[in-house]
Formats: sequence, C-alpha cells, structure tokens
Amino acid sequence: GAVVSQHPSWVICKSGTSVKIECRSLDFQATTMFWYRQFPKQSLMLMATSNEGSKATYEQGVEKDKFLINHASLTLSTLTVTSAHPEDSSFYICSARANSGDTQYFGPGTRLTVL
Amino acid sequence: SQKIEQNSEALNIQEGKTATLTCNYTNYSPAYLQWYRQDPGRGPVFLLLIRENEKEKRKERLKVTFDTTLKQSLFHITASQPADSATYLCALRNSGNTPLVFGKGTRLSVIA
Repeated sequence: GAVVSQHPSWVICKSGTSVKIECRSLDFQATTMFWYRQFPKQSLMLMATSNEGSKATYEQGVEKDKFLINHASLTLSTLTVTSAHPEDSSFYICSARANSGDTQYFGPGTRLTVL
Repeated sequence: SQKIEQNSEALNIQEGKTATLTCNYTNYSPAYLQWYRQDPGRGPVFLLLIRENEKEKRKERLKVTFDTTLKQSLFHITASQPADSATYLCALRNSGNTPLVFGKGTRLSVIA
C-alpha cells in the first residue's frame, strides 16, 4: 500500500511556542491531504482539509489562525500549532489519498505534549 | 445529524473463533466505507475498502459486507489470533474529494 510519513513522531514543547509537523506522501501524489486529531480513548476527529496550492478548509471549531496548514507541493503538507497550550496536547495524524485513488492512507502520527 | 456507530466499545473473543464487528450509520449515503486497524500510539492502517455498489469484499482472513438498505457494514476476522488484538475503526466518505469520517472504534481482544 501507499506510504505516508510524518515528522516528528513526538515532540515536547513549552507553552507559547510553535510546533511544525510535516506530512509526506512517499510514493504517490496527493492534491488533497487531511489532518486529524485524536485524544486518548477517542476516535479521529477531522481538523482540516489541506489543498495543494490553495487555502485549507477547516472544520467547525478549529481555529485557522492557531493551526496553520501549508500544502506546498503534491507530496508535502505541514501543520503548525502556533502559541501552543497544554490543551493542544494530542495525537496529530495526517492522511492522504492518491489523486487517482479511493483509499485514504494515514501517517504514523505525531504525539504533541505541551508543558 | 450524521452518525456512525460501532456498537461495541470492546469485544473479547477466543483464539480461533470468528470476530464480527458492526458499523451502523444514519443520515448518510456513503460512496465508500473503509475499515482500519489502529494499535496504541500508532496511526490507522488501511485494511479494506468497499464501495456503495459492492456487497462483500475479502482479503485473506478478513471479510467486509456493506448493506446500504440496512445502513450497516459487518467486518469479520476468521480464525482470529492474539496478534489481531487492536482497535478497529469504521470510516465513511461521500464521493468526490471528501474526507473520511470515523466511528469511535471497537477494541478487539483475542484471548489465547
């Protein structure tokens, strides 16, 4: 199957700092990527849809100025958590679907801990 | 409102038996339904995709059915093994460039 990578796999930061998470589709091109967040013992919640070359579409309740998404190429999307607070601590997972495919593949996730 | 329900939060099963997980949805007409496996601290791993015009899909010990009249999908693991213990997620999406929406998952434990 297709491979999606994320970096870093975990990060610990101080409150008020910004953290960037990278998501790459390694063997396919993806015009659209998706960012999810997962809190302990809960399912994945869609945060935003990332579109290559245009603005991301955010789900209701997700602050676009806090979670900055940049989809710079057909294989790379980044999520920047700005001015992170402890309540932003979560498991962030990106996902991508090949332009010609139906299946959505997921990265391994990034564990963010804000102190 | 749209809802996806995986009716069991947890399911325990004896090794060698068939595990059957259920996914029901309301106020939704999905074009695609996908099942994923998720282990603790990891991202979901794709298992099977079934389209709205398909009734059944198989892959090795896995089988998925899709009943758009009942608005239900069943996910079967035959000859279950302890290594099959994980959380299994049902996810739906419409046609076009739309994202997957997930159920809460069922945590399967296969006991030796």
